[in-house]
Amino acid sequence: EAQVTQNPRYLITVTGKKLTVTCSQNMNHEYMSWYRQDPGLGLRQIYYSMNVEVTDKGDVPEGYKVSRKEKRNFPLILESPSPNQTSLYFCASSRKGTGVETQYFGPGTRLLVL
Amino acid sequence: TQLLEQSPQFLSIQEGENLTVYCNSSSVFSSLQWYRQEPGEGPVLLVTVVTGGEVKKLKRLTFQFGDARKDSSLHITAAQPGDTGLYLCAGRVYKLSFGAGTTVTVRA
Repeated sequence: EAQVTQNPRYLITVTGKKLTVTCSQNMNHEYMSWYRQDPGLGLRQIYYSMNVEVTDKGDVPEGYKVSRKEKRNFPLILESPSPNQTSLYFCASSRKGTGVETQYFGPGTRLLVL
Repeated sequence: TQLLEQSPQFLSIQEGENLTVYCNSSSVFSSLQWYRQEPGEGPVLLVTVVTGGEVKKLKRLTFQFGDARKDSSLHITAAQPGDTGLYLCAGRVYKLSFGAGTTVTVRA
């Protein structure tokens, strides 16, 4: 089954404690991205990757890091989480990033930073 | 400031009624997509429109892209409880941007 998986689905942490949210897709997609979703603000892109070892900042990259060492995986790293990073996070993938392909989203990771 | 403005923000209707949600911008989009997101899940693509004036139908859902490619609408005929969800539009100028969404609730 074609899918994007994220782990964990729920996470409660404290300020400053490094965490990683994993994302994996099994569709051999080149393009992957991370979004955060906040009430009234919609989905905002954090980082994206056009291919292995190619990553770039989205609209709200501050406080986040990513890596793309393998085509299928695109982890999101919060080196020192802060309460304003409390949000719902989605990973997505598509064949390319041109805006006309289907973008497949993971189920989301709900993060609470205390 | 959102690049795409969606209205209304919330919509609650009775089963069998029709509804329309709107997605507007001052920018011209090369393409526009509509997604539906159900609670606890990620958004799922419903349709992509690329040509000004284009109309696409998906069962009871009708999508229209404005002639100037700055706006779009989603019309649902005879809404059912299964249509309940958050409807998001996403438009590409030089990159893909999402609207804040319209939360639709269809009461049985």
